[in-house]
Amino acid sequence: GAGVSQTPSNKVTEKGKYVELRCDPISGHTALYWYRQSLGQGPEFLIYFQGTGAADDSGLPNDRFFAVRPEGSVSTLKIQRTERGDSAVYLCASSPGAGKTLGPAFFGQGTRLTVV
Amino acid sequence: AQSVTQLDSQVPVFEEAPVELRCNYSSSVSVYLFWYVQYPNQGLQLLLKYLSGSTLVKGINGFEAEFNKSQTSFHLRKPSVHISDTAEYFCAVGYQKVTFGTGTKLQVIP
Repeated sequence: GAGVSQTPSNKVTEKGKYVELRCDPISGHTALYWYRQSLGQGPEFLIYFQGTGAADDSGLPNDRFFAVRPEGSVSTLKIQRTERGDSAVYLCASSPGAGKTLGPAFFGQGTRLTVV
Repeated sequence: AQSVTQLDSQVPVFEEAPVELRCNYSSSVSVYLFWYVQYPNQGLQLLLKYLSGSTLVKGINGFEAEFNKSQTSFHLRKPSVHISDTAEYFCAVGYQKVTFGTGTKLQVIP
């Protein structure tokens, strides 16, 4: 696709359930980022992938959150035992890669997660 | 540790007037600075970035920012705003782990 694609665009889940959020980066981009944005706040860093490996996962809030990128393209953010405090817009971004672009360059539209 | 402070949560400005959106940063390592824009109902876009070299950085849509090391600032400016500039603007600092500020909503008044 032409841009970063995130699915679903909206997700409503019950407290305690498991959810998966998907990100399709721009083709050929090796760097991929996950952020989350709460109402009235700036994006909060979660994790950064370079290729298949998580180069920095220091932003994951706890062990309920996990992300994978097995083939170096599509990434999935997984949240176990969801809590109401997990409600936010989850953003994915991609960049060409180390040495070419620093930081997230292209963002998706986000997935709005609501935990009820 | 790294952080940015955007002091103004909202900035109203008349169309064709100049605007400055303020950003102050804190970083213990080499400084890489960014401005992003989020138009209503759209995703974040990179507006401009400072990595090294000239302290005046030009971005898209006529925006520019100046890196000031002594004042630890990276203010965003535009000499004449248009209605279409109405959006939320985020300052950010970092290398690959980029930390965002809380945003400034620019409201351009016709």
